[in-house]
Amino acid sequence: AQSVTQLDSQVPVFEEAPVELRCNYSSSVSVYLFWYVQYPNQGLQLLLKYLSGSTLVKGINGFEAEFNKSQTSFHLRKPSVHISDTAEYFCAVSDRNYKLSFGAGTTVTVRA
Amino acid sequence: KAGVTQTPRYLIKTRGQQVTLSCSPISGHRSVSWYQQTPGQGLQFLFEYFSETQRNKGNFPGRFSGRQFSNSRSEMNVSTLELGDSALYLCASSPGTSGFQETQYFGPGTRLLVL
Repeated sequence: AQSVTQLDSQVPVFEEAPVELRCNYSSSVSVYLFWYVQYPNQGLQLLLKYLSGSTLVKGINGFEAEFNKSQTSFHLRKPSVHISDTAEYFCAVSDRNYKLSFGAGTTVTVRA
Repeated sequence: KAGVTQTPRYLIKTRGQQVTLSCSPISGHRSVSWYQQTPGQGLQFLFEYFSETQRNKGNFPGRFSGRQFSNSRSEMNVSTLELGDSALYLCASSPGTSGFQETQYFGPGTRLLVL
């Protein structure tokens, strides 16, 4: 079975500061990893995904993530956050049955 | 391309009633998945439909059911509602033919409140 663990439930950060959201996964097979963002009262929007190839993945809105197979991690980073990045972020892993397994989510609150 | 649409956006029901939620996928997508999101359990997979057939199912009781129509639109039904069914129900679509590499695109969700 595949699963993900998001290590931080809440991350407060000041505007223009960097942020890192941590995600560890467990899987016995090849993994496909995703980061989604959920703004208040909205659905999920894909930030980026790792399928294969380069371990550094660039996504939308200045986010990037690094896949680390030896540490089974897929941490999300942004070098400088904006107020508009305040949202909940979900790490997810997919299986061959078209099912996404999500982490518990990390709430990012950006303060001026 | 229009995104995934879900109707209604908000619903209030009472215990014991049943409810039907609707999802229209992105044009050309044949796979539709449903997820339940609650503060306590997070995001949980309900089921996935492809070409009018349920292809995968999560660990939910039989009160939760769904179907898919020939135009790929999907409905989810919950019978005999319980207070614990209060949640945001999210629908996601994908082409459905490339396995677990595919990106699922989510709709805005239907927020169900059971009183």
